[in-house]
Amino acid sequence: GNSVTQMEGPVTLSEEAFLTINCTYTATGYPSLFWYVQYPGEGLQLLLKATKADDKGSNKGFEATYRKETTSFHLEKGSVQVSDSAVYFCALTANAGGTSYGKLTFGQGTILTVHP
Amino acid sequence: KAGVTQTPRYLIKTRGQQVTLSCSPISGHRSVSWYQQTPGQGLQFLFEYFSETQRNKGNFPGRFSGRQFSNSRSEMNVSTLELGDSALYLCASSSGQPAGDEQFFGPGTRLTVL
Repeated sequence: GNSVTQMEGPVTLSEEAFLTINCTYTATGYPSLFWYVQYPGEGLQLLLKATKADDKGSNKGFEATYRKETTSFHLEKGSVQVSDSAVYFCALTANAGGTSYGKLTFGQGTILTVHP
Repeated sequence: KAGVTQTPRYLIKTRGQQVTLSCSPISGHRSVSWYQQTPGQGLQFLFEYFSETQRNKGNFPGRFSGRQFSNSRSEMNVSTLELGDSALYLCASSSGQPAGDEQFFGPGTRLTVL
């Protein structure tokens, strides 16, 4: 079946530091890949997505590139802010219909804390 | 455009009771998915409804059920509550086509079972 593995956290950084959160996946076919962010007490917000190999998703300074050869979708940001403190989830959904319908498969989440 | 709404936001129940959670999707979205989020198991898929039909189901016992109405609003029901059902229940909506479409999440319903 499909699965997503994220780097173990939590991750603690100082403001303006470089961020990388690793994400690798196992899937049949050609999945779509997503990064979601969850702030305390809230639901998940879509941060960025990529739907095919070599696509780069970007939003609010965050970027991730769909690497089919390494089955990875690492999240990066050049300079983090205190307001980026949240939990980040890597996820995939297959595009094959059937048991793929409406189903996101999530990684375990990475807690990011940014200090001033 | 209004986002996904879920009611109630918080619920406290006792073991053996049943509970119904409600989700209103983004206008025009016909697919609603439900997830359970717990510290131990993370985010797990419960089921998905599209045009009032369940198209997909995760690995949860039959105590967990759902339905979708003609206006795409969805409800999920948990019967005979157990302590382990305490969780944040999230619903998400999407157009449902294609299968890999992005999903938009509501704020969740926090269920506590005592």
